[in-house]
Amino acid sequence: QVQLVQSGSELKQPGASVKVSCKASGYSFGTYAINWVRQAPGQGLEWMGWINTYTANPTYAQAFTGRFVFSVDTSDSTSYLQISDLKAEDTAVYFCARTYYDSSGYDSRRFDSWGQGTRVTVSS
Amino acid sequence: DIQMTQSPSSLSASVGDRVTITCRASQSISNYLNWYQQKPGKAPQVLIFAASTLESGVPSRFSGSGSGPDFTLTITSLQPEDSATYYCQQNFNLPHTFGQGTKVEIK
Repeated sequence: QVQLVQSGSELKQPGASVKVSCKASGYSFGTYAINWVRQAPGQGLEWMGWINTYTANPTYAQAFTGRFVFSVDTSDSTSYLQISDLKAEDTAVYFCARTYYDSSGYDSRRFDSWGQGTRVTVSS
Repeated sequence: DIQMTQSPSSLSASVGDRVTITCRASQSISNYLNWYQQKPGKAPQVLIFAASTLESGVPSRFSGSGSGPDFTLTITSLQPEDSATYYCQQNFNLPHTFGQGTKVEIK
């Protein structure tokens, strides 16, 4: 079955960097995009962007340009989110999610499989 | 960016009640609208895609309707396990914005 398994919780100091992994299994990795979604404590879901797992081309939401980098390792079916110069406001749970769509068309796109989430805490 | 506005922000209903959550887009998005359910401490799960198509394995008490800017998620007979936060999301344009969420509690 399709699975996305993320790396474990991280506690970082302000100014440090963190790299979160999302390992896919159960399907052909390069066929479907991977999205990243942030959820700050007690808040809603915020779409950060996505990466084309075939071309490794990333697309970022405007709020996530500069310090945020998406990457892939196709040999290991793994996507990565790296955040540099961490700030207290980066404290959140970060989810990866696969975009799936079927032959009925682009309106069938949805995030059908999600990682379990990685909690990143930024504190001195 | 397309803004997604859900209402209400929260509701409390009894088991067996019919529950309706609405989602309005700031511009027309055709039927490019998905609904997700998130339980505390868990990842979201897709319920409905393309505004009205039930995801495989999702109970038939969940249904979606609407197009253009206005959409509805209906739970026809609320069950205890439906206690969760529900989010709409548009995938018409980038960024694929979510609504702010509707928390459903069981009385």
